[in-house]
Amino acid sequence: AQSVTQPDIHITVSEGASLELRCNYSYGATPYLFWYVQSPGQGLQLLLKYFSGDTLVQGIKGFEAEFKRSQSSFNLRKPSVHWSDAAEYFCAVLISNDYKLSFGAGTTVTVRA
Amino acid sequence: ETGVTQSPTHLIKTRGQQVTLRCSSQSGHNTVSWYQQALGQGPQFIFQYYREEENGRGNFPPRFSGLQFPNYSSELNVNALELDDSALYLCASSLYIRPTDTQYFGPGTRLTVL
Repeated sequence: AQSVTQPDIHITVSEGASLELRCNYSYGATPYLFWYVQSPGQGLQLLLKYFSGDTLVQGIKGFEAEFKRSQSSFNLRKPSVHWSDAAEYFCAVLISNDYKLSFGAGTTVTVRA
Repeated sequence: ETGVTQSPTHLIKTRGQQVTLRCSSQSGHNTVSWYQQALGQGPQFIFQYYREEENGRGNFPPRFSGLQFPNYSSELNVNALELDDSALYLCASSLYIRPTDTQYFGPGTRLTVL
């Protein structure tokens, strides 16, 4: 079955520490890949996306993600977390002949001082 | 450039009632998609409209229906509300229906069904 998995429900990280959020997908072909962030009371904001080419993608707010075809993964990273990064993060995929985003269940990030 | 807006912000209904949620897309965006986000879950695709025609539908019953208007506004209608319909409803607009077109999300409408 096609699916998007975010194995970590909740991650707590200290301010200034690095952050990595995991995302795995199960689809027949390489999908288009996205990371969105959702702050309380806010809609989803696109952090970055991967369609093709360079497997290391830079996004907004200092985030980057690496696509690894062999592992069917698209992990999100940030070298140094700020308190404002506390939010919920969603990995999403879109198949080339489809029209809908399929989201993982999300990872909640808590930043401690 | 204005963002995607949704109204109302919050809504409380009782089981069996009908509800209409509204979305205003970014100007020039021909596509609107609606998603349901239950508490603690990722958004689930409801349907998509492109130039006022339904372009695709997720695994939702027919009591979920939509409309898209020429002025870049759209509606999500839900009939015969059930308790499980309680969720955050998000709309997202994009320029066209290409996979590479970024979907811009609104802040959502929080629907509570009692």
